[in-house]
Amino acid sequence: ETGVTQSPTHLIKTRGQQVTLRCSSQSGHNTVSWYQQALGQGPQFIFQYYREEENGRGNFPPRFSGLQFPNYSSELNVNALELDDSALYLCASSITGVFEQYFGPGTRLTVT
Amino acid sequence: GQQLNQSPQSMFIQEGEDVSMNCTSSSIFNTWLWYKQDPGEGPVLLIALYKAGELTSNGRLTAQFGITRKDSFLNISASIPSDVGIYFCAGLGGSSNTGKLIFGQGTTLQVKP
Repeated sequence: ETGVTQSPTHLIKTRGQQVTLRCSSQSGHNTVSWYQQALGQGPQFIFQYYREEENGRGNFPPRFSGLQFPNYSSELNVNALELDDSALYLCASSITGVFEQYFGPGTRLTVT
Repeated sequence: GQQLNQSPQSMFIQEGEDVSMNCTSSSIFNTWLWYKQDPGEGPVLLIALYKAGELTSNGRLTAQFGITRKDSFLNISASIPSDVGIYFCAGLGGSSNTGKLIFGQGTTLQVKP
């Protein structure tokens, strides 16, 4: 069974740029959630995708957007990057109706 | 909004000692999850709790879902060096049908051999 994978591992961007992060869900999982984890903090929920649609959103501005594809993989897009967007971005997959979420290794984004 | 308070913030213990940490909330949760995160890695699910009063074990780990539904506890018995890491509690609220997990700030555990 393949676990959750994310790419890239690390990324450095300049303020104002745009970034796309990718996630492949665990085999058999149809729901993907994205979290932002700042240094020294717990993960913060960004949004969740199910059936290729957003299914719940945390307190993040519209410049954070996402997609889910028919194979359940997902993308997180962030426009107009700000310095405070520097964080570990985590993707978690689950099965709808089952609340256990399994996390990938994360993408470390640094905005300079 | 919902917040989780996790304590202690950090612990430094001797190998072989037992460890207790807890998580409290001002809101009711229907599900509690405990995760462990190593540096540079994603959180790994340790234990899931679904019912008030539930006590669940996973090897040397035992977690409980508080009767009030506003707290949860994690105990680690006979700690070993590989227990080092950051432990997070996460709750899922009753009014949400999405998977919006609310995380605590984490408890950093260090184990001295």
